Amino acid sequence: DIVMTQSPDSLTVSLGERATISCKSSQSVLYSSNNKNHLAWYQQKPGQPPRLLIYWASTRESGVPDRFSGSGSGTDFTLTISSLQADDVAVYYCQQYFSIPYTFGQGTKLEIK
Amino acid sequence: EVQLVESGGGLVQPGESLRLSCAASGFTFSSYWMHWVRQAPGKGLVWVSRINNDGSSTSYADSVKGRFTISRDNAKNTLYLQMNSLRAEDTAVYYCTRTAYYFDCWGQGTLVTVSS
Repeated sequence: DIVMTQSPDSLTVSLGERATISCKSSQSVLYSSNNKNHLAWYQQKPGQPPRLLIYWASTRESGVPDRFSGSGSGTDFTLTISSLQADDVAVYYCQQYFSIPYTFGQGTKLEIK
Repeated sequence: EVQLVESGGGLVQPGESLRLSCAASGFTFSSYWMHWVRQAPGKGLVWVSRINNDGSSTSYADSVKGRFTISRDNAKNTLYLQMNSLRAEDTAVYYCTRTAYYFDCWGQGTLVTVSS
């Protein structure tokens, strides 16, 4: 199984500041046949289901604010929120969809300072 | 509007069975692979099972293999999860998700509690 490890487990950032979350996979999730990283990011607010933010490691889902961006390739990935808003308080998960069983990171809890 | 609505959760005793349903609307259900993902109280997301668009291929997490069965009825636009021999560690909110590789649509979830 591919193990997804996020860091940090929790993050406190001031409004308007940048937030950065790291995600590392135990093996590459870059699929050679399509040259795409099979890596997604989700946001989950309390009492709600997860919401897709980023797929193919760096493609923003429709309707997601452009302050959210994803980067990385192979085994190392980053989710960046360029200017933190109060509405961004949530838990963020990375997920690989390269191979079954699809696996998620343990989550990063983002709070406002 | 794309919508997934789960139902069928509840409180059961260890060893009992439960069948979850997920009603899909707003998209061509038969074109999509579907998954179940669960989340224990206060914990992270765990993939459970997936089924291809015509129901001919399925996969399961090791933790549920042999106990859970995923299925679908494309005529009814409904996804199912039959859960047998339930254990306390199966207690979780169960989400159905639509996949186009990544999980682009999630239901609100249904809570399954396994307790004596």
